[in-house]
Amino acid sequence: SYELTQPPSVSVSPGQTARITCSGDALPKKYAYWYQQRSGQAPVLVIFEDSKRPSGIPERFSGSSSGTMATLTISGAQVEDEADYYCYSTDSSGNLWVFGGGTQLTVL
Amino acid sequence: QVQLVESGGGVVQPGGSLRLSCAASGFTFGSYGMHWVRQAPGKGLEWVAFIRNDGTSNYYADSVKGRFTISGDNSRKTLYLQMNSLRAEDTAVYYCAKAGATEGIDNWGQGTLVTVSS
Repeated sequence: SYELTQPPSVSVSPGQTARITCSGDALPKKYAYWYQQRSGQAPVLVIFEDSKRPSGIPERFSGSSSGTMATLTISGAQVEDEADYYCYSTDSSGNLWVFGGGTQLTVL
Repeated sequence: QVQLVESGGGVVQPGGSLRLSCAASGFTFGSYGMHWVRQAPGKGLEWVAFIRNDGTSNYYADSVKGRFTISGDNSRKTLYLQMNSLRAEDTAVYYCAKAGATEGIDNWGQGTLVTVSS
């Protein structure tokens, strides 16, 4: 079965840049999506199609993808960005979707 | 704005069945694919099922294949998840989610809790 691999945790100080990676064999040909989930809340889309930002998401959130790795970057992380972040994509068939294991971002 | 409201969760015994519903509004329901995603207590997100906007193409995670069925009713603007032969490991919050143009999730419901326990 297909897997996406994320680091379990990332920690930065306020104002620093946080980078969360996601690796998967199909990522060179399939889009990555990124979701933020604060404690006790439903997930929220922060990046779609590798690098596009939905309306209402702060400009400090950006995404990129190169080869088998996608990256979510939070430039100038804020305390309110503390959350779990999940990448999401499909396998090579495009019919089976999978989430990465999630990365807990700590900003303190 | 897009709204997705799940219902139908509750407590069910192992081996039992449950049907979840998701009432959709704020977009043309039949024009987009829809996903179900679940999250076990204290765990990460797990994709469960996807139905394409043509309504005839359905896909499932291996963990639920043969037991769960995703379907939609365009006239009622409602998505369903029929869950049979439930197991303790199916205990989770189940989210209904709308797919965007490239089929990734762009909007989420608030979730409904399913507990499988005797």
